[in-house]
Amino acid sequence: EDKVVQSPLSLVVHEGDTVTLNCSYEVTNFRSLLWYKQEKKAPTFLFMLTSSGIEKKSGRLSSILDKKELFSILNITATQTGDSAVYLCAVSSGNTGKLIFGQGTTLQVKP
Amino acid sequence: EAQVTQNPRYLITVTGKKLTVTCSQNMNHEYMSWYRQDPGLGLRQIYYSMNVEVTDKGDVPEGYKVSRKEKRNFPLILESPSPNQTSLYFCASRKGLAESYNEQFFGPGTRLTVL
Repeated sequence: EDKVVQSPLSLVVHEGDTVTLNCSYEVTNFRSLLWYKQEKKAPTFLFMLTSSGIEKKSGRLSSILDKKELFSILNITATQTGDSAVYLCAVSSGNTGKLIFGQGTTLQVKP
Repeated sequence: EAQVTQNPRYLITVTGKKLTVTCSQNMNHEYMSWYRQDPGLGLRQIYYSMNVEVTDKGDVPEGYKVSRKEKRNFPLILESPSPNQTSLYFCASRKGLAESYNEQFFGPGTRLTVL
C-alpha cells in the first residue's frame, strides 16, 4: 500500500530558528513530490520535486529530494511567526493524477 | 482572479438528508478532484475527473457521488450523509495529467458536520 510519512508531527520553535521537516514515502510509480503550506484554509503550493539532489529554493524555504532513499526534506531558515502552519508532503503516483498525502507537520513559531 | 470556489463553506446537517457541495474553477483545467481531510489521516482522495464526462473513484469513494457535465464544475453529492462523513472537504484542480501540471490548486474548503 502506498504511504507517505511525515516527521515530526508537530514542532515548536522560536523566531530565528532553523527547522527541518521530513517526508518519507513508499509509493509505486513515483512521479513527483510536492510540498504545501496550510494555514487554517486551503493548502498552498510550495515546491514540486522530481529529480534527486536538485535543491528548490524560495526565499527562506528550500527543499530537496532523495529518490534512492525515498525521502525529502523541507528547510526553513530564520523562522518567523508567519511560518506557523501545517506543512503537507504529497507524492504524485501513477497516471491518475492522484496525490498521496502525509499526515502533515504542525509548526508553531513563537515570538 | 484564478481560483477554485466551493459552496457552502460550512454546513451542519442531519443523517440521511441529501446534500450537494458545489465546486467551480475558472482556469480551464481538465482535471478536478475531491479530498477529505481528517485529523491524523491527512488528505485522502474521494473522486477525480480527468475531463468532462470521465470520473473515477479515489481512495475513499463510499457514500459519495460526483458528476462532471461541464469542464468548470465538479459537484460532490452525499445521497444519505452519515456522521462518519463529518470532515473538511477540499475540491482541487490541475491543468492536466502531464507531469509538469502536478501542482493542484485547492478550493477554500467546506466544513461539513453530520449529526
